[in-house]
Amino acid sequence: LAKTTQPISMDSYEGQEVNITCSHNNIATNDYITWYQQFPSQGPRFIIQGYKTKVTNEVASLFIPADRKSSTLSLPRVSLSDTAVYYCLVGDTGRRALTFGSGTRLQVQP
Amino acid sequence: DAGVIQSPRHEVTEMGQEVTLRCKPISGHDYLFWYRQTMMRGLELLIYFNNNVPIDDSGMPEDRFSAKMPNASFSTLKIQPSEPRDSAVYFCASSLPDSQETQYFGPGTRLLVL
Repeated sequence: LAKTTQPISMDSYEGQEVNITCSHNNIATNDYITWYQQFPSQGPRFIIQGYKTKVTNEVASLFIPADRKSSTLSLPRVSLSDTAVYYCLVGDTGRRALTFGSGTRLQVQP
Repeated sequence: DAGVIQSPRHEVTEMGQEVTLRCKPISGHDYLFWYRQTMMRGLELLIYFNNNVPIDDSGMPEDRFSAKMPNASFSTLKIQPSEPRDSAVYFCASSLPDSQETQYFGPGTRLLVL
């Protein structure tokens, strides 16, 4: 399993762009990078997934450099409702078990 | 679709009692996962099923825990006997076979064992 390392917490203000970086030095060739978001008292929710380069959807962007040893989740113009824990996961699409790390607790201030 | 449904949402019981948590996956999803979340240990995978068959139960903490999936639309996680250290939020998740990294989580069951 590729181990991931991400900051424990981050603070931001409404309207700012937030970038959360995840390190995964031991990522394997078949591994994808997936980010989940978890609000208090709710289950995790899929945000975005990518293999290389850049992926964008209506919620976020995911930047993956060529060596794939890290990835950055970018949240444009955050609002108070983006306050949550964000998990970076790395896994082989052929495997089923997801391993959640401790995640990054994002606190957005007004 | 209503999403993954879990019941009960909250459960308070006394040590030694049997606890049964229930899950209804999203229709058409043939993978089902049980997770446990605590402050100390974070989110842990307990067991998962594929087409109602348990595939990996290595995360089940001990014999007091058991899980079943009698059909494609229902699964249970049972703790017998329960202990205070089992207090946690238990999540059920399901996924499609072609989205192996995308799991849809239920709202969770908050269990408190006194």
